[in-house]
Formats: sequence, structure tokens, C-alpha cells
Amino acid sequence: DTEVTQTPKHLVMGMTNKKSLKCEQHMGHRAMYWYKQKAKKPPELMFVYSYEKLSINESVPSRFSPECPNSSLLNLHLHALQPEDSALYLCASSQERGRVGNSSTDTQYFGPGTRLTVL
Amino acid sequence: SQQGEEDPQALSIQEGENATMNCSYKTSINNLQWYRQNSGRGLVHLILIRSNEREKHSGRLRVTLDTSKKSSSLLITASRAADTASYFCATDPLWGGAQKLVFGQGTRLTINP
Repeated sequence: DTEVTQTPKHLVMGMTNKKSLKCEQHMGHRAMYWYKQKAKKPPELMFVYSYEKLSINESVPSRFSPECPNSSLLNLHLHALQPEDSALYLCASSQERGRVGNSSTDTQYFGPGTRLTVL
Repeated sequence: SQQGEEDPQALSIQEGENATMNCSYKTSINNLQWYRQNSGRGLVHLILIRSNEREKHSGRLRVTLDTSKKSSSLLITASRAADTASYFCATDPLWGGAQKLVFGQGTRLTINP
């Protein structure tokens, strides 16, 4: 199973709402990622979890709160978002490379994304 | 900040022709990867080339890497309508642990039947 699933596929929320995006993988990967992608732009890394611990936060505003409850699940909690936060949010996973990587561990598997619209 | 630049930004060719996309980057890397994205969907990994490799093949794909020029190219031979997508290069500056992929701006490829 090389699938990463994301729910919901689409989400519309107001600026005062609280919502969560969910991501799940069953490939035994110990690294999981959140990306944000605006239309016609490349994905931009937001957060990286390694062995369920936050290892990289790319200076993301605190209205985005990631959570990794276990090795298969990754959540992104949303609160008080702005219209400019509307984007495609992508989750990905990969094997954790330890000290040295190799081709089989460096591939990231992406989910289909959640299309978020903030009104 | 995004360190990769790709050209062309858009490419339109006839089915059966070859498509070449180029990627430049700024910092030292562990590896460079190419991904494909169909409209509004997730990314699919195509091929990875390591910093000590110069060329790699996978089916109809050929990737080259020139670390002295900090550039890479992706060649798709005998293109098909199903190859229509956006193609992104991604560089990984880290040598262990989790990755920190930095994506180029992408090339939108259209294959005309």
C-alpha cells in the first residue's frame, strides 16, 4: 500500500471557525510533511514530523497547528485563518533516513490534498 | 524561499515529440528529484538523482545533473497525451533524517494529440 489519504477533499470555512485536516499513511513511514500550495505555484514546506516529533517548522503562523498523534496520522488544526490562507494543503510521507539516505528512502509520497477556501 | 528555477514555465508540444525541462538551484544538495502533478492533485514522484550521479534513466524519462552548474534537466521521450501535467524539480539539502524539499517553480507541459 503506497497510498497517503487526506480528508476532507474540500473545506470551506469562515475566519472564526476551527477545523482540522487529516492525513493517514500505512507504509510505516516515520517522516510526515505538510505543504501549502497556491494556484500555479510550487508546494511550500510548512512542517516536518520525524518519529512523531516536530523537527521542522518553516516559520508558519500559529493559526496553523500541526499534530502527530501516532506514526500513521498527521493533523493540521486550523483556527482564525485569513482569506489568503486559501490553498491546496498537501500531506506527504517518507521513510526516515537516519544518518545516511538512499534512493529507496528519499521518495516522498503525496496525498491528493485538501482544497481549502477561507471566506 | 524557493531556490529552484525551472524553464520553460510552459511548454506545448505534439504527441510523440520529446519534451525537455530545465531546473536550476542555488545551494549544495544531497539529491534532486522530479515530481509530476496533474491539475489540482497530489504530486507523484518520477525520478531521483543523487549529487554524485550525472545521468539517470527510467522508462521514457532521462534526467541529467550538473552540480558544477547547479542545474538539472528532465527529458520525456515519445510524449503522450497522458504526460500533460505540471513538472517540478525538488532539491534536498539535507543528508539524513527527514527531508526538506525545496521545489522549483514548475513547468506546465501540454501534449497536443
